[in-house]
Amino acid sequence: DTEVTQTPKHLVMGMTNKKSLKCEQHMGHRAMYWYKQKAKKPPELMFVYSYEKLSINESVPSRFSPECPNSSLLNLHLHALQPEDSALYLCASSRSNEQFFGPGTRLTVL
Amino acid sequence: EDKVVQSPLSLVVHEGDTVTLNCSYEVTNFRSLLWYKQEKKAPTFLFMLTSSGIEKKSGRLSSILDKKELFSILNITATQTGDSAVYLCAVEATSGTYKYIFGTGTRLKVLA
Repeated sequence: DTEVTQTPKHLVMGMTNKKSLKCEQHMGHRAMYWYKQKAKKPPELMFVYSYEKLSINESVPSRFSPECPNSSLLNLHLHALQPEDSALYLCASSRSNEQFFGPGTRLTVL
Repeated sequence: EDKVVQSPLSLVVHEGDTVTLNCSYEVTNFRSLLWYKQEKKAPTFLFMLTSSGIEKKSGRLSSILDKKELFSILNITATQTGDSAVYLCAVEATSGTYKYIFGTGTRLKVLA
């Protein structure tokens, strides 16, 4: 199984909503990532978890809150987002020499 | 500051042409360089390069790394319309965990 899954595929939320994005992999990878990608731009790293501990937070606003409940799951909790947060949110996992992306969640904030 | 620069930014070719995409980098604690293809969805992994001068090949695609001059190239021979995509280069650095720095991508369009 070389697959990273993400749910939901699409999400529309208002600025006062609370929602969560989910990511799952069963490849035994111990590093997992959240990226944000705007149209026609490369992915921007948001968070890195290594062995279920947050190791890098690329100065992301606190309205994004990551969580790694176990080695296979990664969540991104969303609260009080802004319209400019609308983007494709990509989860990825890696081992020493390759990285696999999930299909992404396309988020629209109204 | 770590950076990865890709060129050209965009490219239009005809089917059957050969293209060369470039990626240069300035990164501390370099570990590897990765190439991805992105169409409308998530990036798809193509190659991972760690050693200089060793060509990686997959069908019509090939890539090589020069760690002395700090660049890599991705070649696509006999291009097809299905090769139309954004090609992303990312450099993996390590400082206790893995970190990926992406270039801005090269947008390739192959005309029939």
